[in-house]
Amino acid sequence: EAGVAQSPRYKIIEKRQSVAFWCNPISGHATLYWYQQILGQGPKLLIQFQNNGVVDDSQLPKDRFSAERLKGVDSTLKIQPAKLEDSAVYLCASSHSSGKYQETQYFGPGTRLLVL
Amino acid sequence: AQSVTQPDIHITVSEGASLELRCNYSYGATPYLFWYVQSPGQGLQLLLKYFSGDTLVQGIKGFEAEFKRSQSSFNLRKPSVHWSDAAEYFCAVCPGLDSWGKLQFGAGTQVVVTP
Repeated sequence: EAGVAQSPRYKIIEKRQSVAFWCNPISGHATLYWYQQILGQGPKLLIQFQNNGVVDDSQLPKDRFSAERLKGVDSTLKIQPAKLEDSAVYLCASSHSSGKYQETQYFGPGTRLLVL
Repeated sequence: AQSVTQPDIHITVSEGASLELRCNYSYGATPYLFWYVQSPGQGLQLLLKYFSGDTLVQGIKGFEAEFKRSQSSFNLRKPSVHWSDAAEYFCAVCPGLDSWGKLQFGAGTQVVVTP
């Protein structure tokens, strides 16, 4: 079974530029999560999708971050414009369903973003 | 405020020695508890989880964790570490069924294994 795929693996941009990250979850997984992991910290949930709907985006900085999962499969996270403090690893995770308790989240390798 | 604390930022252990990583949480009720491992360049992998029942939980790679309600702790242990156990370990909490999926992670403990 293929795991969660993310691209690119690394990205370097200058502040005020825009950037987009892509995630393809495990086939059949209805729930998709985006996390931000700043160096020295644990991952922080940014947004959770159930199929193509947003379940929770309370911690997403909506003035600059946006995410979509139009067809309920893969997802894109965008930052526009980027700030220095956005430098982090962006992790994508998926689970079969968030409606069923005990579902495990499976994580992708992450995209490491450096904003100069 | 609800929080997850991993008091040890960095631990060095000799290969073959035992390992214990600490995790404390601050929530009103018993949350659902997890331990994940992150190797360099890789995503987080679930080691084990606790929902209810037996307070000693067995996981993959020879790890176990013990839930202690009185101490609000969920410490991870391994009797004999291998060089491949060098990684960063994260304790995570899900506050409850109505928050399922909304994991809150500790800051992590970096484990270094020496020969």
